[in-house]
Amino acid sequence: ELKVEQNPLFLSMQEGKNYTIYCNYSTTSDRLYWYRQDPGKSLESLFVLLSNGAVKQEGRLMASLDTKARLSTLHITAAVHDLSATYFCAVAYSGTYKYIFGTGTRLKVLA
Amino acid sequence: DAGVTQSPTHLIKTRGQQVTLRCSPISGHKSVSWYQQVLGQGPQFIFQYYEKEERGRGNFPDRFSARQFPNYSSELNVNALLLGDSALYLCASSLDGGNYGYTFGSGTRLTVV
Repeated sequence: ELKVEQNPLFLSMQEGKNYTIYCNYSTTSDRLYWYRQDPGKSLESLFVLLSNGAVKQEGRLMASLDTKARLSTLHITAAVHDLSATYFCAVAYSGTYKYIFGTGTRLKVLA
Repeated sequence: DAGVTQSPTHLIKTRGQQVTLRCSPISGHKSVSWYQQVLGQGPQFIFQYYEKEERGRGNFPDRFSARQFPNYSSELNVNALLLGDSALYLCASSLDGGNYGYTFGSGTRLTVV
């Protein structure tokens, strides 16, 4: 059974600092997705990573995928308050489009 | 362009009742998936439909059923509601079945009392 774990679960950081969120998964997959969720809202797609070594960047966020290590990272550079949200990674079961979501990382950026 | 639309946005039901949730995908999207998100947790996969055929089912009891219509809209039905069914139900659509990611709707908040 595919399991997806994120760490940390909670992250409180100062504006201007850098940090990384980790997403580990338990079985082979080469498709990984990052989503953002604001309180009471739906999921917003951030990144689609479809191959080993894929790296995507958008603003202060950069995501990467290492399928051999079964690990994805979401790196935050010079955090700002607007990045406060819950971030989920999701891994697709090999050969299917069933997404297994991680536990989520609740990020709070302090001014 | 309209995104994924879901209705209703909120509803309250009593234990034992039945509920139907509706979803309209983005125009041109042929795949619809349903997820359940309990407060404080990540979404859990319920169903996927592509071109009106069920392509996947998650670990949910038979009380949960769904279908996709010729216009690619979808309904999720839950019978014999339990308190534990209280959650945000998210519908997501994609062009190709989800390979390049899903676009999620705003969800239906179901409360079972």
